[in-house]
Amino acid sequence: SQQGEEDPQALSIQEGENATMNCSYKTSINNLQWYRQNSGRGLVHLILIRSNEREKHSGRLRVTLDTSKKSSSLLITASRAADTASYFCATETSGSRLTFGEGTQLTVNP
Amino acid sequence: GAVVSQHPSWVICKSGTSVKIECRSLDFQATTMFWYRQFPKQSLMLMATSNEGSKATYEQGVEKDKFLINHASLTLSTLTVTSAHPEDSSFYICSARGGSDTHSGANVLTFGAGSRLTVL
Repeated sequence: SQQGEEDPQALSIQEGENATMNCSYKTSINNLQWYRQNSGRGLVHLILIRSNEREKHSGRLRVTLDTSKKSSSLLITASRAADTASYFCATETSGSRLTFGEGTQLTVNP
Repeated sequence: GAVVSQHPSWVICKSGTSVKIECRSLDFQATTMFWYRQFPKQSLMLMATSNEGSKATYEQGVEKDKFLINHASLTLSTLTVTSAHPEDSSFYICSARGGSDTHSGANVLTFGAGSRLTVL
């Protein structure tokens, strides 16, 4: 069963603005990952944060993890039209098993 | 970097026929591959874990006789949708552990581009 819940389900912003997406999960995890999916395509790995980490940065991406609240957030700064995509969080438990959240559809308007 | 190739990228078939989807790891060996299913505007649902040289492990509710998985080599897993029906129409995505996270170096899953199945 899917254990990740994401909000918002859809987010529409203007180019240059920041976009924040949230993810909650239910069980203990080894790590949490964020993926991006362009319409009708496969997933691209963006960033991984381990369960003992609280924050990671990668370029314009910032991820936080709060294991006490079982939640994570993905911040995309200075968004671009090319950032338009669906973003999924995924929690990894044992055996490389990934459980995906419901996803956030981000639209960045030029 | 690690690349996973899926073929075909899209397929249309008649109800009752069987369709085979291939998933290949191009530059690495994958003892384990994963098959997901995704309906429009929904998340990915893990269907099964494909293990090289042994039987696949199916998730609860996934019919193993309906979705046949074969992982005969370290670089190839196939998913066959048998006796396909319109409700099997979906986007099927495979993945394998072969990429690495830029910052931590941890192994992460690399996904294929997906295969869109439409059953008429």
